[in-house]
Amino acid sequence: QVQLVESGGGVLQPGRSLRLSCAASGFTFTSHAMHWVRQAPGKGLEWVALISYDGSKKFYADSVKGRFTISRDNSKNTLYLQMNSLRAEDTGIYYCARDFRYYDTSGPFDSWGQGTLVTVSS
Amino acid sequence: QSALTQPASVSGSPGQSITISCTGTSSDVGSYNLVSWYQQHPGKAPKLMIYEVSKRPSGVSNRFSGSKSGNTASLTISGLQAEDEADYYCCSYAGSSSVFGGGTKLTVL
Repeated sequence: QVQLVESGGGVLQPGRSLRLSCAASGFTFTSHAMHWVRQAPGKGLEWVALISYDGSKKFYADSVKGRFTISRDNSKNTLYLQMNSLRAEDTGIYYCARDFRYYDTSGPFDSWGQGTLVTVSS
Repeated sequence: QSALTQPASVSGSPGQSITISCTGTSSDVGSYNLVSWYQQHPGKAPKLMIYEVSKRPSGVSNRFSGSKSGNTASLTISGLQAEDEADYYCCSYAGSSSVFGGGTKLTVL
């Protein structure tokens, strides 16, 4: 069965950097685009970034553009999110999610990880 | 990339039907038949309930249905059950990005 396991979350000060990972298994990772979605404490879902199946296309929410970088290593079935210049408003649970269709990037998100918590606080 | 607009809360009694609206713009909901709905129970990851406006993934009850008219999509849950109590989020493709609604808390009375 499809499994997505995020890791790398933690507590850190504003301005610092963090890299999240998402280990995928149970499906052909190289055939699916992947997304990061976050959720601030007690708030709604916010789409963060997507990467195409082969890593050639990357798109970001305006709120993270220029600070976050999405990447993937298809040889390791792993998705990453490099987060730089972190702000308090970046605090939340970060989920990785699989794009439903082969080779598409338009969603929906049919499988989700359990999330990893990032807390940015001085 | 403004969030789609959903009511903050809706409620209904067991057996009744409820509808949650999701209003976007001509740049997202109105332009694509790529609206999806997610159910999220407290402390859990979201679960896909409806995709492409009205399609149900395998395993999702046929009590859940979706529709769209213009810039507004809707999720209807019929025959409400206690386990339907959760937060519901709509989401639309917006051309190289996706945008979620603010979420609706469903209370089953």
